[in-house]
Amino acid sequence: EIVLTQSPGTLSLSPGERATLSCRASQSVSSSYLAWYQQRPGQAPRFLIYGATSRATGVPDRFSGSGSGTDFTLTISRLEPEDFAVYYCQQYGSSPITFGQGTRLEIK
Amino acid sequence: EVQLLESGGGLVQPGGSLKLSCVASGFTFTTYAMTWVRQAPGKGLEWVSAISGNGGHIYYADSVKGRFTFSRDNSKNTVYLQMNSLRAEDTAVYYCAKNLRDGEATYDYWGQGTLVTV
Repeated sequence: EIVLTQSPGTLSLSPGERATLSCRASQSVSSSYLAWYQQRPGQAPRFLIYGATSRATGVPDRFSGSGSGTDFTLTISRLEPEDFAVYYCQQYGSSPITFGQGTRLEIK
Repeated sequence: EVQLLESGGGLVQPGGSLKLSCVASGFTFTTYAMTWVRQAPGKGLEWVSAISGNGGHIYYADSVKGRFTFSRDNSKNTVYLQMNSLRAEDTAVYYCAKNLRDGEATYDYWGQGTLVTV
């Protein structure tokens, strides 16, 4: 099973700042089958990124994904108030599908 | 507009059973795999089970294999999760999710979730 470790656990930033979230895999993620989701309190997850770098439909271009192999990054270029949430990475290249434990992005 | 509406959650005793349903609309249901993902209170996301568009391929997490059964009725645009021999550790919000594509395990639409308490 591929274990995904997200860091930091909590990230405190201000609106307008740049956020960099990390997701490290215990083994190489095949074909960069890595996705990112956003979850606001009390809501279902929202699909952001797939294939490590492709934005899902309707996702603002301030969200970008990068990385390959075992190291992946989600970057939010300029934080908007609605971006403060929990972010999860997910690998879907190997069975079982696994998620990271999440990074909480909070307002500083 | 894609919509997924789960139902069937509730309070059940350990060892009991529950059947979740998820009614889908707004897309060609038979074309897409569907998935259940759960989230224990205050915890992260856990993949539970997936079913292909035609129902011919079904996959389970080891934690639920042999206890949960995932099925779909394409005539009703509905998927079901039959949960037997429930344990305290099955307590979670259960989300129904639509796969981005059949054969690709990313989830572009999610229901609002239904809470199961064991």
